[in-house]
Amino acid sequence: AQSVAQPEDQVNVAEGNPLTVKCTYSVSGNPYLFWYVQYPNRGLQFLLKYITGDNLVKGSYGFEAEFNKSQTSFHLKKPSALVSDSALYFCAVRDIRGGSQGNLIFGKGTKLSVKP
Amino acid sequence: DAGITQSPRYKITETGRQVTLMCHQTWSHSYMFWYRQDLGHGLRLIYYSAAADITDKGEVPDGYVVSRSKTENFPLTLESATRSQTSVYFCASSDMGTPYEQYFGPGTRLTVT
Repeated sequence: AQSVAQPEDQVNVAEGNPLTVKCTYSVSGNPYLFWYVQYPNRGLQFLLKYITGDNLVKGSYGFEAEFNKSQTSFHLKKPSALVSDSALYFCAVRDIRGGSQGNLIFGKGTKLSVKP
Repeated sequence: DAGITQSPRYKITETGRQVTLMCHQTWSHSYMFWYRQDLGHGLRLIYYSAAADITDKGEVPDGYVVSRSKTENFPLTLESATRSQTSVYFCASSDMGTPYEQYFGPGTRLTVT
């Protein structure tokens, strides 16, 4: 079965410091992995994806994620956090059940809090 | 304005009533999705649609009905609302070329009393 786990409910970082939001996955076949962000009272927004190729993928707002096959992880990173990065972050994996395209399985989310 | 919209944004209803949440997208995206977001559960897929007149159940479909007679609209109906359906509901859409890059609406906060 496809699944993702986000082991931290909350991550606290000081502005200017690097941030990491963790995600591990369990999939059958090749993983298609995604990060989404949700700002307060808003819908989710797509940040970045890994499907194939370079293990380091770059996305919106200066975020990047590192795909690690041996550790089955896809951690979200940013070299220097901003207060405006404070939001809820979701890791997701492609759902291959039923053969339907487009379906995602989301993790439970990690709340990122960046303090000035 | 182009985009994906949901209405109403907030709704309070009583147990047993029928409620319909509307979703409209202007991109002509093929895929559309309904999720519910609950604390501790993240996002769970209720129903999805690959095209007009093609819908299928997601992870938590019980108590919900969908239809998609037009590509741009994907209404979600709670046939007889229950308190356990109190939640925030998100509609999303994606293009056939990038099916996993979903665009989300602003959400509908539904309270069932």
